[in-house]
Amino acid sequence: DTAVSQTPKYLVTQMGNDKSIKCEQNLGHDTMYWYKQDSKKFLKIMFSYNNKELIINETVPNRFSPKSPDKAHLNLHINSLELGDSAVYFCASSQDLTTDRIIGNTIYFGEGSWLTVV
Amino acid sequence: AQKVTQAQTEISVVEKEDVTLDCVYETRDTTYYLFWYKQPPSGELVFLIRRNSFDEQNEISGRYSWNFQKSTSSFNFTITASQVVDSAVYFCALSEDISNFGNEKLTFGTGTRLTIIP
Repeated sequence: DTAVSQTPKYLVTQMGNDKSIKCEQNLGHDTMYWYKQDSKKFLKIMFSYNNKELIINETVPNRFSPKSPDKAHLNLHINSLELGDSAVYFCASSQDLTTDRIIGNTIYFGEGSWLTVV
Repeated sequence: AQKVTQAQTEISVVEKEDVTLDCVYETRDTTYYLFWYKQPPSGELVFLIRRNSFDEQNEISGRYSWNFQKSTSSFNFTITASQVVDSAVYFCALSEDISNFGNEKLTFGTGTRLTIIP
């Protein structure tokens, strides 16, 4: 079973379209994330959700809207796609620790969704 | 601000040679976590190791070993007896101090592309 799964894996679309990427995790984790990897392989966080609540929103254009219907799912909707949105989008998840919150959690990534805007 | 530097952009070694990937980090936090991830040509991000700032013991896992030196803010990764399957991009990452659930985010280095020549 894939722990963190994303669909679609590949997406080619025209500028101006609206598209969604879906993510599901079956690890029972409480926190989910979206990361973006650009053409130079640079990885940067976009959003994080904890139990369906938005926690991190890193200066991402309003055209990007994450939605978490439940803590096992975190979808990414992108409006009015632009050429610069072409990237690999990674979903990830981690488990909250109920003791000793100073300890960092391992973040597990999905296989990535390759978005190409033409 | 958090920063992770992987000065080696690309490394090529002949199979069976040992290779060390460097990682230097900057943080003002006294408590933090360091990670290594592997991104093979297929594109997924594979978790390799997590190390907390209080534990400076070196770790060995099979052909992989990690050297954490707090005094030099480095967390280097060594592969011994390299194999062609080790060819990938390797990312070092640093997690920020966690004050709230879901507030954990990874700051990634720019990655080192490792090519093992058969």
